[in-house]
Amino acid sequence: QSVLTQPPSASGTPGQRVTISCSGSSSNIGSNYVYWYQQLPGTAPKLLIYRNNQRPSGVPDRFSGSKSGTSASLAISGLRSEDEADYYCAAWDDSLSAVVFGGGTKLTVL
Amino acid sequence: QVQLVQSGAEVKKPGASVKVSCKASGYTFTSYYMHWVRQAPGQGLEWMGIINPSGGSTSYAQKFQGRVTMTRDTSTSTVYMELSSLRSEDTAVYYCARGDPYCSSTSCYPNYWGQGTLVTVSS
Repeated sequence: QSVLTQPPSASGTPGQRVTISCSGSSSNIGSNYVYWYQQLPGTAPKLLIYRNNQRPSGVPDRFSGSKSGTSASLAISGLRSEDEADYYCAAWDDSLSAVVFGGGTKLTVL
Repeated sequence: QVQLVQSGAEVKKPGASVKVSCKASGYTFTSYYMHWVRQAPGQGLEWMGIINPSGGSTSYAQKFQGRVTMTRDTSTSTVYMELSSLRSEDTAVYYCARGDPYCSSTSCYPNYWGQGTLVTVSS
């Protein structure tokens, strides 16, 4: 049981826009930044979004993040086949003094 | 460029211990925290703890308290994660991940990740 809640799956067709939600509580998302990671099949996770909505250099602007209250979202526009991956949200939890992750969302590009 | 190179796969028997290494390069080793995160087969990411390579201070997830030890060797820019009393549920890929530039003693997030080390626990 993950501390942050994500839908287990999401899908879209090439060119579409998809969003992935991440729900938490006042001790994590409500009071700290949200980060997003992309994990392509068989590889290590890669930082996709940091500090709620910032993109590291090299990450396409098709990826965007937002946060409101105790929830956050990752949006992917202009969906491409290479976006097919698992996506994880993460936040620092003040009560646990730990990084907590969502259970991950498997994105399928139809 | 930042590189984190981890040690190779391990097979251990239940009750044994495993020590995984993570050698860092491409940045000042003592300037960034290092996380350990694991991923069981087909499962999500699970945070294990963090070490400050500068002074060696550590913070562990409650689940692993008493079983995990994180250390560092500044002379070789290497961090280690040792997990003891292994059980089958510890079978997973273990990742080291460098903390991002915004890390503080009160919050820290992973940025760059190692390639992962598969630890298999089987009798």
